[in-house]
Amino acid sequence: GEDVEQSLFLSVREGDSSVINCTYTDSSSTYLYWYKQEPGAGLQLLTYIFSNMDMKQDQRLTVLLNKKDKHLSLRIADTQTGDSAIYFCAESTSRDDKIIFGKGTRLHILP
Amino acid sequence: DTEVTQTPKHLVMGMTNKKSLKCEQHMGHRAMYWYKQKAKKPPELMFVYSYEKLSINESVPSRFSPECPNSSLLNLHLHALQPEDSALYLCASSQDRERGTTGELFFGEGSRLTVL
Repeated sequence: GEDVEQSLFLSVREGDSSVINCTYTDSSSTYLYWYKQEPGAGLQLLTYIFSNMDMKQDQRLTVLLNKKDKHLSLRIADTQTGDSAIYFCAESTSRDDKIIFGKGTRLHILP
Repeated sequence: DTEVTQTPKHLVMGMTNKKSLKCEQHMGHRAMYWYKQKAKKPPELMFVYSYEKLSINESVPSRFSPECPNSSLLNLHLHALQPEDSALYLCASSQDRERGTTGELFFGEGSRLTVL
């Protein structure tokens, strides 16, 4: 079956790096995504990685994928107060149109 | 235009009312989705339309009735809802993954529904 797991809460000091981790179970995952949701808003795609890649970097964001361990991480460098949000890991497969979301990690920024 | 527009932003309805949520996108996406999100929970998939045909129904109660009048519009008709149906209802769209795109979802801001 399909399952995506994340830790629920992360607290980081402003200026430090944040690392949010995710594990998934479906070995047929094709794309893995990170979405950000601010209070009262919809989900915004931050970045994605294709399953045959190990790493992707986009400005302050670095995604690492360990396909053997089915582990995905999102690193946010120089964390800012505007990064405070819930971050959802999500996976899709080539089988159907479903995208399965993890429970979300709430990132709290300390001054 | 990279937006998914949802109306209304807020809706309060009684258990005997009939109302509709609307969603519109003009990105030429072929798939449109309804998700339900309760507070502090991830979005839960309800329905997927692909090329204007219902392709996925996640065993959603019949008091929720989706409709896709054309490739740009998606409605969710609501009738005889329960208070536990109160949630944020998110619409999303995506491009055709078979054409080599990433299949990422573009979300609207959501319609916050309260059932009294």
